[in-house]
Amino acid sequence: DAKTTQPNSMESNEEEPVHLPCNHSTISGTDYIHWYRQLPSQGPEYVIHGLTSNVNNRMASLAIAEDRKSSTLILHRATLRDAAVYYCILRVFGAGSYQLTFGKGTKLSVIP
Amino acid sequence: DGGITQSPKYLFRKEGQNVTLSCEQNLNHDAMYWYRQDPGQGLRLIYYSQIVNDFQKGDIAEGYSVSREKKESFPLTVTSAQKNPTAFYLCASSTSGTGGNTIYFGEGSWLTVV
Repeated sequence: DAKTTQPNSMESNEEEPVHLPCNHSTISGTDYIHWYRQLPSQGPEYVIHGLTSNVNNRMASLAIAEDRKSSTLILHRATLRDAAVYYCILRVFGAGSYQLTFGKGTKLSVIP
Repeated sequence: DGGITQSPKYLFRKEGQNVTLSCEQNLNHDAMYWYRQDPGQGLRLIYYSQIVNDFQKGDIAEGYSVSREKKESFPLTVTSAQKNPTAFYLCASSTSGTGGNTIYFGEGSWLTVV
């Protein structure tokens, strides 16, 4: 199984940028890198995804290493609402469909 | 608004009973999924379906059953064979095709065995 490795937890001060790292050394050429975040007792929320190039959207930026073995989710200005568990996931084709395999994620705490 | 609706939000089950969790989507998505989440853990795939009248087992299908009679609906039954069913259950859906498609999740259902 394609797997990702993330730190268990991180802290950030409010209104400062946050860089959430993810290692995925076993990634293959067709695997997409997805990031989701989850608040307690809620369903995960899509943040961003990419394949090879860096990506930006209104929520965050995704920086993908040239060898694709690691990536970084960038929150440009952390707010208290960004406190959540962030999952870095590879979307891998297997058994006729694309699947998401979740790890334990990184719990981000934002300090006022 | 389009989205995924799970019900009930909270459910209590007596040991030996089967219970069914509902999942409905109006996003016109072909693919639907059921995940289980235990406290402090990530999500684990129970079952998924790529098309009506077809579904496949995920990583932890034992003790669970599903049906996909309509595109919009993908109910999950937790049977008495599931020995430790207390968990948070999440339904999701997406379009089929490439790995770049977003998966949308419902708000989840808490199941507790009493």
